[in-house]
Amino acid sequence: QVQLVESGGNVVQPGRSLRLSCAASGFTFSNYGMQWVRQAPGKGLEWVAVISYDGSDKYYVDSVKGRFTISRDNSKNTLYLQMNSLRAEDTAMYYCARDHAFGYGYYFDYWGQGALVTVSS
Amino acid sequence: QSVLTQPPSVSAAPGQKVTISCSGSSSNIGNNYVSWYQQLPGTAPKLLIYENNKRPSGIPDRFSGSKSGTSATLGITGLQTGDEADYYCGTWDRSLRGWLFGGGTKLTVL
Repeated sequence: QVQLVESGGNVVQPGRSLRLSCAASGFTFSNYGMQWVRQAPGKGLEWVAVISYDGSDKYYVDSVKGRFTISRDNSKNTLYLQMNSLRAEDTAMYYCARDHAFGYGYYFDYWGQGALVTVSS
Repeated sequence: QSVLTQPPSVSAAPGQKVTISCSGSSSNIGNNYVSWYQQLPGTAPKLLIYENNKRPSGIPDRFSGSKSGTSATLGITGLQTGDEADYYCGTWDRSLRGWLFGGGTKLTVL
């Protein structure tokens, strides 16, 4: 069965960095676009970033451009989110989600359980 | 304020029907598929409807989706207390080159 398991969430000081990982199993990871979505405490869902199945296309929400980098290692079936220059407003639960086969921007059919990132001094 | 507009809350009695709207523009809903997600308290979101009106395996036919122009609607019939959750619409925006979620709608089953 399809599984997505995030890791790397932590408490970090403003201005510091953190890398989230999302380990995928149960499907051919290299065939699917992948997404990161976050949810601040008590707030709605906010899309963060997308990466195409082969890593050639990447897009970000404006608020993280230049600070966050999405990447993937298809040999390890793992999705990453490198987060630099973290701010208090980046505090959220971060979910990875599977998008469409050989595409992206269609729908998210599987989600991980989330990784909590808290940015606080 | 979200680019996709949803009502903050809706409510109805058990067994009744409710609809949740999602309004956008030609750069998003008007030219792309819409999907809907259910988020029960304390859990990850779950796909309810994809490609405007299709249900993934395991989603009961009490849930339905439709799209007309730049708006989409989620319908839920035969409401159950277990349907109490937050519901989000989502779609790609070709101008922003990014995914959009609506602000979310909290469903209360009275």
